Amino acid sequence: DAGVIQSPRHEVTEMGQEVTLRCKPISGHDYLFWYRQTMMRGLELLIYFNNNVPIDDSGMPEDRFSAKMPNASFSTLKIQPSEPRDSAVYFCASSFGAEKLFFGSGTQLSVL
Amino acid sequence: GQQLNQSPQSMFIQEGEDVSMNCTSSSIFNTWLWYKQDPGEGPVLLIALYKAGELTSNGRLTAQFGITRKDSFLNISASIPSDVGIYFCAGQPVQGAQKLVFGQGTRLTINP
Repeated sequence: DAGVIQSPRHEVTEMGQEVTLRCKPISGHDYLFWYRQTMMRGLELLIYFNNNVPIDDSGMPEDRFSAKMPNASFSTLKIQPSEPRDSAVYFCASSFGAEKLFFGSGTQLSVL
Repeated sequence: GQQLNQSPQSMFIQEGEDVSMNCTSSSIFNTWLWYKQDPGEGPVLLIALYKAGELTSNGRLTAQFGITRKDSFLNISASIPSDVGIYFCAGQPVQGAQKLVFGQGTRLTINP
């Protein structure tokens, strides 16, 4: 079975540019989570969806961040405009019933 | 918010040694999970614990759900080089069960 698929694996961009991260969850999972990982703050939950509906976006740091889940097999996390402090590894995870999360391989984002 | 205190933060051991790490909290959790993260990858679920006092094994790994529901430990026996990585505990809180709380991780380094 394919796991959670994220793209791109690496993204290098300049400050001010728009960044879009993509995620395909495991088929049949009803929850999707976006996390950010940094050395200083560890794993931070940004937002999560249940049945494609955003439930809690309290972890989204600023209005520059937005996430969508147009259908059960696709989600995006967008940063516009990007800033150097957004540099981190962004993970998407999915689960059935919000219990055991399965993570993708992550997107390493570098904003110069 | 709820926090998990994971210790130790890092471990340097010899191949073949046993490893022990734990997570504690002032809050009660319904479920405890242990994940391992390899460099450049997302966390992978190792063990899930659902009941206070539960002791579960997965190969050389053994984890326990504390009786008070406020702690959990993970043991690795006879460590091998591929055990290198970062181990995370995660707890599913009683309130807001969809939002796992993650520890800060234990970085395991093994000298051959």
